Amino acid sequence: GDSVTQMEGPVTLSEEAFLTINCTYTATGYPSLFWYVQYPGEGLQLLLKATKADDKGSNKGFEATYRKETTSFHLEKGSVQVSDSAVYFCALSDLDDSWGKLQFGAGTQVVVTP
Amino acid sequence: SAVISQKPSRDICQRGTSLTIQCQVDSQVTMMFWYRQQPGQSLTLIATANQGSEATYESGFVIDKFPISRPNLTFSTLTVSNMSPEDSSIYLCSGGLAGINEQFFGPGTRLTVL
Repeated sequence: GDSVTQMEGPVTLSEEAFLTINCTYTATGYPSLFWYVQYPGEGLQLLLKATKADDKGSNKGFEATYRKETTSFHLEKGSVQVSDSAVYFCALSDLDDSWGKLQFGAGTQVVVTP
Repeated sequence: SAVISQKPSRDICQRGTSLTIQCQVDSQVTMMFWYRQQPGQSLTLIATANQGSEATYESGFVIDKFPISRPNLTFSTLTVSNMSPEDSSIYLCSGGLAGINEQFFGPGTRLTVL
């Protein structure tokens, strides 16, 4: 079945540092890929998405590129802020296989210090 | 996009009782889902809420424990029955639109079972 693997946290960074969170996936079809963010005490918010190979999703300074050849969707941000401290979830959804159902990775906690 | 609200936002319940969580969407969505997020864990899909018919449950979840209703396209309920401390989790509902492979999440219901 489909699955998502993302790097374990917590990831601790200083403000203005570069952030990368690795995410790889396995899927039988051609999934859409997502990054969701969960701020402390809140629900999930969609951060960005990509629906086909080589698509780049971007939002709030975050970027991720859908790499079919490496089955990856790594999240990057060039200069993090304290307000980026949150848990980040990589997820996939395979329209062909199971419409809309999201398969989540384990989540990566990011802590940004001043 | 869709805005999703949940009630209650949190509750503390006694072992053996049941709690019904409501999920309201501000616009019609094709699909609605219920997820569980155990403390410090990722999200696990409980079931797909189908309008006017029985929900579709994922492996490990059964209707007797988590009965779900969806009387229309904008509303669904999840009941956590005969609760035990192991049911302490955040329960989130989400909605998605046909043709747009994207889900919007509610803020979650934080349940503590004593």
